[in-house]
Amino acid sequence: GEDVEQSLFLSVREGDSSVINCTYTDSSSTYLYWYKQEPGAGLQLLTYIFSNMDMKQDQRLTVLLNKKDKHLSLRIADTQTGDSAIYFCAESLLAGNNRKLIWGLGTSLAVNP
Amino acid sequence: DGGITQSPKYLFRKEGQNVTLSCEQNLNHDAMYWYRQDPGQGLRLIYYSQIVNDFQKGDIAEGYSVSREKKESFPLTVTSAQKNPTAFYLCASSGSGSRTGELFFGEGSRLTVL
Repeated sequence: GEDVEQSLFLSVREGDSSVINCTYTDSSSTYLYWYKQEPGAGLQLLTYIFSNMDMKQDQRLTVLLNKKDKHLSLRIADTQTGDSAIYFCAESLLAGNNRKLIWGLGTSLAVNP
Repeated sequence: DGGITQSPKYLFRKEGQNVTLSCEQNLNHDAMYWYRQDPGQGLRLIYYSQIVNDFQKGDIAEGYSVSREKKESFPLTVTSAQKNPTAFYLCASSGSGSRTGELFFGEGSRLTVL
């Protein structure tokens, strides 16, 4: 079946790197996403990676994709207190002519000063 | 500025009452979505609409209804048939021409049933 799994909590010290991991089951995904949700707010797309890529870097963010192991990770360098949020992994599957998103439960990142 | 506006941000309802949550977008997006978010359960899709005057049930549509009479608007009604309506509701939209399928979210509406 279709499933996306993430660990629920991560705690890091300010200035350290954070690594949030995600595993998925459906190998036919086209895009994989990381969304960020700050408390009491909606989600914002943080970054994404196309399924034929291995890595994508965008400033402090590095996304690694291991298709063989169906594993996606998000690394945040020099983590700041403003990075404290819930991070959702999601994969996009083609279902006929439509795109279907499968969401993880979210990883709550706490950054300690 | 373009975006999605949800209202109200907070809503209290007595048991047995229907309530309608508003979602408006000025992004000229064809597709719109309603999600429900509960602690520890991530996002669950209630209804979605790919085009005006058409919508489909998501994974947890029971007790909810929607309409899509205008491209900009996708209101969600939480009916009295919804057994556990207290939750955070998120509306989102996406453009049919988007290569990546990125979703744009509103700020959410928190519904509490008293």
